[in-house]
Amino acid sequence: EVQLVETGGGLVQPGRSLKLSCVASGFTFNNYWMSWTRQAPGKGLEWVASITNSGGSTYYPDSVKGRFTISRDNAQNTLYLQMNSLRSEDTATYYCTRGGYYGDWFAYWGQGTLVTVSS
Amino acid sequence: DTVLTQSPALAVSPGERVSISCRASEGVNSYMHWYQQKPGQQPKLLIYKASNLASGVPARFSGSGSGTDFTLTIDPVEADDTATYFCQQSWNELTFGSGTKLEIK
Repeated sequence: EVQLVETGGGLVQPGRSLKLSCVASGFTFNNYWMSWTRQAPGKGLEWVASITNSGGSTYYPDSVKGRFTISRDNAQNTLYLQMNSLRSEDTATYYCTRGGYYGDWFAYWGQGTLVTVSS
Repeated sequence: DTVLTQSPALAVSPGERVSISCRASEGVNSYMHWYQQKPGQQPKLLIYKASNLASGVPARFSGSGSGTDFTLTIDPVEADDTATYFCQQSWNELTFGSGTKLEIK
């Protein structure tokens, strides 16, 4: 059974940093692109970042480019999202998703971790 | 960005057929995917690449379309299908529709 378990969310002040983690199990982690997708409270879904299966390439939308960094440790079956210079509009539940970028879809989702950016 | 437009809400009775539409601001080939999100839960993949049923999804769900106009059909609708349904394209970066909230009367 595929499982994606996110941790690391919480309350953080604007301008500060936070790092999310996602531990994957039930599939061969290093065979798949991985992504982060977020959902602001009561709102829709927004893609945040994708990384190739090797970790050699990463992709971001303009809304987070230069502030967020996606990475992975294939030996530990773990995906990360480093979030810097956080803003109130980054407040959302962040989902770890199996799937990538062009032409791909998000086949599996974690349960999500809530990030609240507020002073 | 490719904008995906969905109607905000629909209400149907159990046993009926419902079609949920998604229109893209530009062509996305067949790279349209559909997700179901029940309250308090993470989204779940239903349909990938316009018309392919995801593993474990009941055959009551189907998808169609190409280019700019896509449809998710549920036939027959069951009470458990109460949820918000999102479309997502992966032809031009990755964007989601704003979701269609389905109410079962």
